[in-house]
Amino acid sequence: GEDVEQSLFLSVREGDSSVINCTYTDSSSTYLYWYKQEPGAGLQLLTYIFSNMDMKQDQRLTVLLNKKDKHLSLRIADTQTGDSAIYFCAESMTGNQFYFGTGTSLTVIP
Amino acid sequence: DAMVIQNPRYQVTQFGKPVTLSCSQTLNHNVMYWYQQKSSQAPKLLFHYYDKDFNNEADTPDNFQSRRPNTSFCFLDIRSPGLGDAAMYLCATSRGKLGGNEQFFGPGTRLTVL
Repeated sequence: GEDVEQSLFLSVREGDSSVINCTYTDSSSTYLYWYKQEPGAGLQLLTYIFSNMDMKQDQRLTVLLNKKDKHLSLRIADTQTGDSAIYFCAESMTGNQFYFGTGTSLTVIP
Repeated sequence: DAMVIQNPRYQVTQFGKPVTLSCSQTLNHNVMYWYQQKSSQAPKLLFHYYDKDFNNEADTPDNFQSRRPNTSFCFLDIRSPGLGDAAMYLCATSRGKLGGNEQFFGPGTRLTVL
């Protein structure tokens, strides 16, 4: 698999914005994803971006892609306590094989 | 509506005793995946089936096997579980066409090896 790295922990106050970062090594990655995992549950797709895009916005979520630096970020606006979870970025070249990052545990402080 | 179902949710086995985890889907997706996720780690892809075509990851131990008898079901067989195989095992599916496939995950089976 390819290397996909994330910082392990992030704490924010309720109402603030959260920014979760991810770096990857495979320059041929075609699709980049953000997944959310709540305790004891499977992974839930939040959003994805094609490698030919720089930005994608979906309600409170904004994804930024810097392909030159192989850096992906997820911004959550107006973070709520229900956003507390582990967030995984993942990359895929083919759309069939996915490689996940180590996950960032987001804690939202009321 | 259950879409990707994994049974059982919790499985306990003994060191060296073969164990089978099962996954079923109601989505009629072409691709089914098995991931191993250890505590505080990323899900690690073990293998996937694209229809009947089996695709093994290069670093998946031989101890892990899989079967897909039909579109709906996929099994993970661990022939001789070791203590290091204790983990959450996640099954996922996707349509299998190029274009930002969404993977749908099951809730996982937590395997304990005694």
